Amino acid sequence: GENVEQHPSTLSVQEGDSAVIKCTYSDSASNYFPWYKQELGKRPQLIIDIRSNVGEKKDQRIAVTLNKTAKHFSLHITETQPEDSAVYFCAASDNAGKSTFGDGTTLTVKP
Amino acid sequence: ETGVTQTPRHLVMGMTNKKSLKCEQHLGHNAMYWYKQSAKKPLELMFVYNFKEQTENNSVPSRFSPECPNSSHLFLHLHTLQPEDSALYLCASSQRQAGNTGDSGANVLTFGAGSRLTVL
Repeated sequence: GENVEQHPSTLSVQEGDSAVIKCTYSDSASNYFPWYKQELGKRPQLIIDIRSNVGEKKDQRIAVTLNKTAKHFSLHITETQPEDSAVYFCAASDNAGKSTFGDGTTLTVKP
Repeated sequence: ETGVTQTPRHLVMGMTNKKSLKCEQHLGHNAMYWYKQSAKKPLELMFVYNFKEQTENNSVPSRFSPECPNSSHLFLHLHTLQPEDSALYLCASSQRQAGNTGDSGANVLTFGAGSRLTVL
């Protein structure tokens, strides 16, 4: 089955700095890679996603890159703000709709 | 009400009890999921239902029994649980494309708020 590894497990940055979270996957059949943000006490919510036929996608301060050959993808957050503090999960999804999640990254943005 | 609704939000049960978690989605989606969230494994897939048919059982113990009577409702029946089963149980739904084409499309999951389960 699919195995998704996510690093780092915790990340602390100063407000205004950039944050990068990296994930690797094992199953070449995975073709959809979403990122979810979970604030404390709340449900995970999709923030950005990328399909396997695209190398990079950007939405304002967040961007995701995908290297299908190397089987890794990354989340980039620029100009971080305190409200970006949360747990971020990457996932790899296949045609059967099975989404395997990484173990999460706790991001803390210090004012 | 919109989105994905889960009840109860909190549940405390003994190891010999039988209880059920309920999930209802109001999004017109055709796939529903149960995930377990704990400190040990933050988001662990348990079951997948596509068009009311179970398509994935991720090696879940039989003390967890899912039921999907229609595409809007999903239950998780609990029986003789162990203390290590204490966790947040998240339901999710998505709109799946029919058939397995080369591009799965965006299987965007909409999560419920979860049911916090404590097994004594």
